[in-house]
Amino acid sequence: DTEVTQTPKHLVMGMTNKKSLKCEQHMGHRAMYWYKQKAKKPPELMFVYSYEKLSINESVPSRFSPECPNSSLLNLHLHALQPEDSALYLCASSQRGISTDTQYFGPGTRLTVL
Amino acid sequence: KQEVTQIPAALSVPEGENLVLNCSFTDSAIYNLQWFRQDPGKGLTSLLLIQSSQREQTSGRLNASLDKSSGRSTLYIAASQPGDSATYLCAVKEGGSYIPTFGRGTSLIVHP
Repeated sequence: DTEVTQTPKHLVMGMTNKKSLKCEQHMGHRAMYWYKQKAKKPPELMFVYSYEKLSINESVPSRFSPECPNSSLLNLHLHALQPEDSALYLCASSQRGISTDTQYFGPGTRLTVL
Repeated sequence: KQEVTQIPAALSVPEGENLVLNCSFTDSAIYNLQWFRQDPGKGLTSLLLIQSSQREQTSGRLNASLDKSSGRSTLYIAASQPGDSATYLCAVKEGGSYIPTFGRGTSLIVHP
């Protein structure tokens, strides 16, 4: 099983809503990642969890809050988002979270903030 | 700061052509380079990963080469098919860094 799953596939939310994106992998990988991708732009790394340790991308606003309940699950909690946060949110995982890893990506969640 | 450039930005070819996609990077001290494929509105599929000590990798009709000294990589697609239509992204990682630097991609259309 080389699959990373993400739910929901699509999400529409208002600026006052609280919602969560979910990501799951069962490959025994110890690193998981959140990326944000705007249309016709490359993905931008938001967060990395490696061996249950969070590495924070400093440019990510606090209205995005990651959570890693266990090594197979990764959540992204959303609160008070802005319309410019509308994007494709991609989750990925890799075996050890080091430079030599191959990253496996999920299909993404298309987020629209009204 | 590492910068990754992909040329061309868009490419349209008839089915059956062999084609080359280019990726260049400004800092040659990379740890590895990875080529991805992305279908519209979808996630990324890893195609090939080249470590800094390697010069090329092959998978089926795909061949990726790496020339660290000149800061260049090419992705060669043989006998292109309409199913190859997608955006192709390259990403480089520097030593000890989690954070890959992506190019903006080449949008490929293979028409029958």
